[in-house]
Amino acid sequence: GNSVTQMEGPVTLSEEAFLTINCTYTATGYPSLFWYVQYPGEGLQLLLKATKADDKGSNKGFEATYRKETTSFHLEKGSVQVSDSAVYFCALSGLGGQNFVFGPGTRLSVLP
Amino acid sequence: GAVVSQHPSRVICKSGTSVKIECRSLDFQATTMFWYRQFPKQSLMLMATSNEGSKATYEQGVEKDKFLINHASLTLSTLTVTSAHPEDSSFYICSARTGRAGELFFGEGSRLTVL
Repeated sequence: GNSVTQMEGPVTLSEEAFLTINCTYTATGYPSLFWYVQYPGEGLQLLLKATKADDKGSNKGFEATYRKETTSFHLEKGSVQVSDSAVYFCALSGLGGQNFVFGPGTRLSVLP
Repeated sequence: GAVVSQHPSRVICKSGTSVKIECRSLDFQATTMFWYRQFPKQSLMLMATSNEGSKATYEQGVEKDKFLINHASLTLSTLTVTSAHPEDSSFYICSARTGRAGELFFGEGSRLTVL
């Protein structure tokens, strides 16, 4: 079945540092890939997505590129801020939103 | 983007009572809604898939008689935790899907504390 693996956290960075959170997946066919963010005490918000190979999703300075050859969708940001402290979930879905699967989440703490 | 609203955001109840959580899609019709449970510092665990006008499909290990799900309209699904116990204390999150694009929109979550 489909699955998503993320790097274990917590990840602690200083403000303005470069961020990478690795995500790899296993899926049949051509899934859509997502990053969701959960701020403390809140639900999940869609951060970015990519629906086909080589697509790059971007939002709020975050980027991730759908790499079919390496089955990866790593999240990056060039300069993190304290307000980026949250839990980040990588996820995938199959055609028509079937088999929606979340990774375990990676907690990011950004220190001033 | 599409908006999904949950209510209440926080609820405290006594052991043995029942609690209802509502999930509404505010600006779109959601034929399918999903209910998740999230334990502290863990990922989301899918509890059930709720389809409008039909019975919910529960994931393995989820007690359907304890977690009653009703999807009476295209904009509302409810989760009722019956005879709640302290071990039911958790963060419950709903989501709704728009069309067939595979994107989910999430509610704000509801934190249940059972005393």
